[in-house]
Amino acid sequence: GENVEQHPSTLSVQEGDSAVIKCTYSDSASNYFPWYKQELGKRPQLIIDIRSNVGEKKDQRIAVTLNKTAKHFSLHITETQPEDSAVYFCAASINNNNDMRFGAGTRLTVKP
Amino acid sequence: EAQVTQNPRYLITVTGKKLTVTCSQNMNHEYMSWYRQDPGLGLRQIYYSMNVEVTDKGDVPEGYKVSRKEKRNFPLILESPSPNQTSLYFCASSGGGAGETQYFGPGTRLLVL
Repeated sequence: GENVEQHPSTLSVQEGDSAVIKCTYSDSASNYFPWYKQELGKRPQLIIDIRSNVGEKKDQRIAVTLNKTAKHFSLHITETQPEDSAVYFCAASINNNNDMRFGAGTRLTVKP
Repeated sequence: EAQVTQNPRYLITVTGKKLTVTCSQNMNHEYMSWYRQDPGLGLRQIYYSMNVEVTDKGDVPEGYKVSRKEKRNFPLILESPSPNQTSLYFCASSGGGAGETQYFGPGTRLLVL
């Protein structure tokens, strides 16, 4: 089955800097790659997603890139703000939200 | 208000005592799923359902049962809970189509003694 690895497990940046979180997946049939943000004590919320027919997607300060050949995808947050502090999860699935496998998560801390 | 609800939010029980965690969504979503979240392991899918009476195993289905008799409800059943099922559980739903956002419930924190 699919295996998703996520790095780093913790990331600390200064406010205004960029943050990059990387994930790799094992199943070349995976075609949907969402990213979730989970604030302390809250539920995960989708922040951006990408499908395998697209190499990059942006939404304001957030972008995701996908390299199908290398089977890795990354989350890029620019101009980080303290409210970006949270745990971020990547995920991969073959068919939308079915049989979705998550990475272990990255705890991002943005220092003011 | 569009939402996914779960009950109970917190539960302490003992080994072997059957329990059910309910999940309900009011968005007419076809797809529903259960996850458990454990430190260092991220979220792991237990079961999912693509529509009424259609369910399938996720990554960690052992020790759990589900049913989908109505579109809005997707209860998680632990017939004989064990301490290794102590975890934070999330229900989620989505429209099921390509690129549909998956909405999570507030979570149920379960402790099995």
